[in-house]
Amino acid sequence: ETGVTQTPRHLVMGMTNKKSLKCEQHLGHNAMYWYKQSAKKPLELMFVYNFKEQTENNSVPSRFSPECPNSSHLFLHLHTLQPEDSALYLCASSQVATWERVTDTQYFGPGTRLTVL
Amino acid sequence: DQQVKQNSPSLSVQEGRISILNCDYTNSMFDYFLWYKKYPAEGPTFLISISSIKDKNEDGRFTVFLNKSAKHLSLHIVPSQPGDSAVYFCAATPSNFGNEKLTFGTGTRLTIIP
Repeated sequence: ETGVTQTPRHLVMGMTNKKSLKCEQHLGHNAMYWYKQSAKKPLELMFVYNFKEQTENNSVPSRFSPECPNSSHLFLHLHTLQPEDSALYLCASSQVATWERVTDTQYFGPGTRLTVL
Repeated sequence: DQQVKQNSPSLSVQEGRISILNCDYTNSMFDYFLWYKKYPAEGPTFLISISSIKDKNEDGRFTVFLNKSAKHLSLHIVPSQPGDSAVYFCAATPSNFGNEKLTFGTGTRLTIIP
């Protein structure tokens, strides 16, 4: 498989459930991201990992717990979510910025559509 | 407070004509701008970008214009094709070393009418 893949594509969970979203990139990138897209709102950056180290946590509630075991895989562990957490969760990857390449393009996965009941 | 604004939620354009999508930003630290295109059930895909040292960047049918003084950028698609029907997101970042934090607009849904 190529590009950025996400599983599952759709997830329905109750508020007391624990579930995990998985993202895998096959592009040789070393930075990975989680975004949230709610209806009629901009894409919101949640977490950034550079070389497996978390470098950004954009004030995300602790009921969202990311994990990056290696540069190719990123997880988002979900626990006691609220109905307002229902959204499309997008994973992306890129090369980490360097002095030669200040900003690089992010490549997105198809997203996981999450519904919290 | 939205730092990147796309004030038109939707736009319809006749096939073959020019599509112009607009984006405004408020953060003067932004100096690198990107456009992403999103089809239903897919993630956004990168389309074109521009650095603040330029005022225009062209790639085939797509041209992005940047007006730094007005904090405004636009995406021109000429000629528009049915396959261009999608949601277009504008994004911006301060291109500091190590900072990959993209701020997105809410998107504009472009519909090309055959």
